[in-house]
Amino acid sequence: DAGVIQSPRHEVTEMGQEVTLRCKPISGHNSLFWYRQTMMRGLELLIYFNNNVPIDDSGMPEDRFSAKMPNASFSTLKIQPSEPRDSAVYFCASSLNRRDQPQHFGDGTRLSIL
Amino acid sequence: GQQLNQSPQSMFIQEGEDVSMNCTSSSIFNTWLWYKQDPGEGPVLLIALYKAGELTSNGRLTAQFGITRKDSFLNISASIPSDVGIYFCSSGGSNYKLTFGKGTLLTVNP
Repeated sequence: DAGVIQSPRHEVTEMGQEVTLRCKPISGHNSLFWYRQTMMRGLELLIYFNNNVPIDDSGMPEDRFSAKMPNASFSTLKIQPSEPRDSAVYFCASSLNRRDQPQHFGDGTRLSIL
Repeated sequence: GQQLNQSPQSMFIQEGEDVSMNCTSSSIFNTWLWYKQDPGEGPVLLIALYKAGELTSNGRLTAQFGITRKDSFLNISASIPSDVGIYFCSSGGSNYKLTFGKGTLLTVNP
């Protein structure tokens, strides 16, 4: 079975540029989560969707960050404009919206903003 | 926000030794999950616990959901080199959001 698929795996860009990260959740999963991982702060939840609807975006750092889920099989996380402090590994995870169904993670996008 | 205290931060052990790590919280949770992360990859689920007092094994791994619902431990028996990685505890409440510990970095010397 295909797991959570993220693209690109690596992105290096200059500050000020727009960055778009993509995620394809596991088929049939109806919850999708975006996380950011850094050495200093560990794994932080940015936003999560249930049935394509954003439920909690309280973890989104600031207005430069936005996320969409236009359908059940695709989500994007966009940073515009990007800044060096946005450099991190961004993970997408998906699950069934049930307490006994754990989240499954993609392999992440390693983002470097120069 | 809710925080998990995971310890130890790192461990250096010899192959064959047993390992124990734990997580505590000041809040009560309904779910405890243990993940392992290898370099360049996403966290992979090891064990999921859904009931206070539950003790679950997965091969050489054993984890328990504390009876107070505020803690959990993970044990690895007879460690092998491929056990190297970062182990994360995570816990969730009724809204399916997960809070993660800072991780335990495990190094196994062959």
